[in-house]
Amino acid sequence: GAGVSQSPRYKVAKRGQDVALRCDPISGHVSLFWYQQALGQGPEFLTYFQNEAQLDKSGLPSDRFFAERPEGSVSTLKIQRTQQEDSAVYLCASSPIPPSSGGVNAEQFFGPGTRLTVL
Amino acid sequence: SQQGEEDPQALSIQEGENATMNCSYKTSINNLQWYRQNSGRGLVHLILIRSNEREKHSGRLRVTLDTSKKSSSLLITASRAADTASYFCATEGNFNKFYFGSGTKLNVKP
Repeated sequence: GAGVSQSPRYKVAKRGQDVALRCDPISGHVSLFWYQQALGQGPEFLTYFQNEAQLDKSGLPSDRFFAERPEGSVSTLKIQRTQQEDSAVYLCASSPIPPSSGGVNAEQFFGPGTRLTVL
Repeated sequence: SQQGEEDPQALSIQEGENATMNCSYKTSINNLQWYRQNSGRGLVHLILIRSNEREKHSGRLRVTLDTSKKSSSLLITASRAADTASYFCATEGNFNKFYFGSGTKLNVKP
């Protein structure tokens, strides 16, 4: 079956430009996460959705970052007025159940990521 | 921060040898997971160990968890060149957050 897909895979933006990154989770997955991964580092949590509800956005680095999941499936991460420090790989992950249940299927399924380069 | 930290940061071994990576974390957890990331790709889930488990096996992988020391280890036995990747531990804490460490970069030489 299809896994998590992300588009575009690569994005080059000029500083100050707005970008939108798309995530298509696995069909039926309740939970959706966005992470930012800098070069040589582990993923850093950005935000979490349970269905269409954004339950946690504490990891978003500034108010230039905005995420939505209006129908509880596809999600978009938008970055306004991009800065060079926004350059990173943005990973999306989905999970069939909420993570706090700690159940067997609490693993997250990751997409390939979008590599954003801000010039 | 609740973030897990792996060590060593980098590990280079010969094919056939065992590889051991460690992860330490700071606060109580519900479970701990290990993921693998090949260069330029997304993360792939390897194994999950719950806080009430001490050891778990999956194929050539063996994971231990010591909640008293707040540490976990991942052992890959009889390593192969295809195991070359970065390995991350992820801890699940409160409020739906997952925390990843900075990873161990494993290089298995053929």
